Formats: sequence, structure tokens, C-alpha cells
Amino acid sequence: QTVVTQEPSFSVSPGGTVTLTCGLSSGSVSTGYYPSWYQQTPGQAPRTVIYSTNTRSSGVPDRFSGSILGNKAALTITGAQADDESDYYCVLYMGSGISVFGGGTKLTVL
Amino acid sequence: EVQLLESGGGLVQPGGSLRLSCAASGFTFSSYAMSWVRQAPGKGLEWVSAIRNSGSNTYDADSVKGRFTISRDNSKSTLYLQMDSLRAEDTAVYYCAKCQSGTSCYGGLDYWGQGILVTVSS
Repeated sequence: QTVVTQEPSFSVSPGGTVTLTCGLSSGSVSTGYYPSWYQQTPGQAPRTVIYSTNTRSSGVPDRFSGSILGNKAALTITGAQADDESDYYCVLYMGSGISVFGGGTKLTVL
Repeated sequence: EVQLLESGGGLVQPGGSLRLSCAASGFTFSSYAMSWVRQAPGKGLEWVSAIRNSGSNTYDADSVKGRFTISRDNSKSTLYLQMDSLRAEDTAVYYCAKCQSGTSCYGGLDYWGQGILVTVSS
């Protein structure tokens, strides 16, 4: 069974840049997996940040960007702000209608 | 404005059944695939099921296959999740979400409901 991997936690200073990644336990992530990214703060519903690798969802600031870096999908936050402190989840499309979430990354801004 | 409003959650005994509904508005419901995602207390998000815009194709995670059934009524702009043979590990907040495309959720999810709690306990 393929597992989608994410860093459990990450820390960034205010104004700094951070890159979160999304990989596979076996194989490389490509655009064909249509990676997407979701932000969630405690007690709230998820919010879509990036879909189809690098398309920002409506209303998402341009400091968020998505890409493929090496063999993983990546979410980069440039100029991190305090309210970016959240859990971030990636999703990969495995084909045949099946999607799989990664375990999530808890991002701390301090 | 896109709105997704879940209902039907609550407390159910192990082995019991429950049906969730998600009333959609603000977009052409029949044009988009839809999905259910859940989150157990203190845990991460888990994709559960998806359904094509026409309802002709459904897709389920292995953890719910054979127990949960996703369906939709395009005339009512409503998505459903019939949950049978419920287990304690199905306890979670269930989110309804709109997919980017019509055939499946390959492009990701773009709008989410606020979620509804399902508790499976005796």
C-alpha cells in the first residue's frame, strides 16, 4: 500500500521562507498525481491552498506557491506570517478515482 | 457563494447505520464530482469516497469499501453518505467537499463544508 509522506512538523520565522514536501513511500511524485494542498487550523474546516500542482485557490495570497521539487510535490510559503501557522495536508490522486492524504505537517511560525 | 452544509450526524452504536447529507448551493451541482473526507479526533484528514458528477461512478477508500455508499441527487443538489456496519474507528468529523472536475477528484478539492460529527459508541 502506497503511503503519502509529509514532514510531521516544521518551523519558520516570521518573514521567512519554508518549503513543505509531499512524497511517496515508493516512487516519485509527478504532475500526474495532481498534488493539492490544504490548510487547517484547529477546530476549523480545511481550506484549499493549491490544486493541480501549482494553481492557487481563490483568495489565497501569492506568497503560497506549489511545485514539483525533485521527486516530491512542494508547498512554499515566502514571507511567512503568523496566521500561516496551521496544519498543512497534501493529497495525491492515485488514479481510478482514488485520492490519498498525507499525514499532515504542523507548521509553527515563531 | 459556494456553500456546503452537512447534516445527519450524531451518536450511533457499533454495527448501526447513519446517513449523512450535504446540501450544496452557489454552483452547478450536476457539473462537479463530490467527495467525503473525514477526520478522527486528534488525527489527520482521510479521504473516504467520491462520486462522479452524473453519479454513474463511485470511488471508495479501502477502509470503508463495502460498508459506506456515496450517492447524489442532482435534482436536489444534495450529496449523501450511507454508512452501515459502523465501527468505533469510524468516529470522526465528516466533511463534504466539492471536486475541481466533473469526472473525479483528480484536480483536488476546492470547497469544503464545516463538517459534521459522527460518534460510534455503545
